[in-house]
Amino acid sequence: GNSVTQMEGPVTLSEEAFLTINCTYTATGYPSLFWYVQYPGEGLQLLLKATKADDKGSNKGFEATYRKETTSFHLEKGSVQVSDSAVYFCALIKYSGAGSYQLTFGKGTKLSVIP
Amino acid sequence: EPEVTQTPSHQVTQMGQEVILRCVPISNHLYFYWYRQILGQKVEFLVSFYNNEISEKSEIFDDQFSVERPDGSNFTLKIRSTKLEDSAMYFCASRPGGIYNEQFFGPGTRLTVL
Repeated sequence: GNSVTQMEGPVTLSEEAFLTINCTYTATGYPSLFWYVQYPGEGLQLLLKATKADDKGSNKGFEATYRKETTSFHLEKGSVQVSDSAVYFCALIKYSGAGSYQLTFGKGTKLSVIP
Repeated sequence: EPEVTQTPSHQVTQMGQEVILRCVPISNHLYFYWYRQILGQKVEFLVSFYNNEISEKSEIFDDQFSVERPDGSNFTLKIRSTKLEDSAMYFCASRPGGIYNEQFFGPGTRLTVL
């Protein structure tokens, strides 16, 4: 079946440091890939997405490139801020028929950015 | 900007009691979902709902769970007889129709079963 594997956290960085959170997936066919972010006390928000191989999703300074050859979708940001402290989830979409797109999530990586 | 809302934000109940978690999806969306996240674990799919019926459900979604869209706006998740292991954050999500497959999530309901 489909699955998503993320690097284990927590990750603690100083402000302005470079961030990479690794994500690899296993899926049949060509899934769409997503990064969701969960700020403390809040729900899940879509951060970025990519729908086909070599697509690059980007938002708020974050980027991730859909690499089919390595089945990866690593999240990067060149300079993190304290406000980026959150839990980041990698996810893929599986089409299950009848229009049902079921999200499969990774375990999440908690990022803490210190001033 | 339209958003998915969920009530209550936190529900505490005794084991064996019934609970109903409520969601108001975005108004023009056609597909609705429930996910749950046990503390410290991954977010897991429970069920998807379209055209007034369940389109898919996971192994977690057993006979004690049910979903309903009782009117044109609400989407509910009922747990008939809660167990300690049902304690989790429950997220509702909705999606427009067509090929646009982004799901929009609500803020979640934290269910605590004592």
